[in-house]
Amino acid sequence: GAVVSQHPSWVICKSGTSVKIECRSLDFQATTMFWYRQFPKQSLMLMATSNEGSKATYEQGVEKDKFLINHASLTLSTLTVTSAHPEDSSFYICSARETVGEKLFFGSGTQLSVL
Amino acid sequence: QKEVEQDPGPLSVPEGAIVSLNCTYSNSAFQYFMWYRQYSRKGPELLMYTYSSGNKEDGRFTAQVDKSSKYISLFIRDSQPSDSATYLCAMWSGNTGKLIFGQGTTLQVKP
Repeated sequence: GAVVSQHPSWVICKSGTSVKIECRSLDFQATTMFWYRQFPKQSLMLMATSNEGSKATYEQGVEKDKFLINHASLTLSTLTVTSAHPEDSSFYICSARETVGEKLFFGSGTQLSVL
Repeated sequence: QKEVEQDPGPLSVPEGAIVSLNCTYSNSAFQYFMWYRQYSRKGPELLMYTYSSGNKEDGRFTAQVDKSSKYISLFIRDSQPSDSATYLCAMWSGNTGKLIFGQGTTLQVKP
């Protein structure tokens, strides 16, 4: 299957700082990427849909000014958690959709811990 | 009512057993059906992808879709301890362009 690379795999930061997470599709072009958040023993919660070259579409209840998403190319999307607080601590996962077809491939996830 | 219902389990079986995992859904517009496997603190891994009703086999895994009943299944034959993970069903909504996930079923295969 296609490979989606997500970095970093884990990050610890101080409250008030910003953290950037990268998501890259390595062997295919992804016009659409998705960002999810997952709490322990729960399913994935969609945060936003990112389309290359346009503004991201955020799900209800997700603060767009706090979770900045940039999809500058067909292979790269970034999520920046601005002014992180302990309640932002979570497992963040990106996914990329093939341009042709409906398959969605996921990155390995980023565990964010805000102290 | 959730669009996709999946029993969270946990489901515990002995090694070598046949495992049956199921999801039901309410939206008849769903066209693409997927099963993902997720190990703890890892991203989901695509296991099976089906478009139409019927069966699809890949090694020890068989995915089954019954659109008339709005019911999908994943069967795992000769289950192994390494199959212990959370299995998520997912369905593609063409109307919204989003993948809708079930809650996930936690499976434990005991040696």
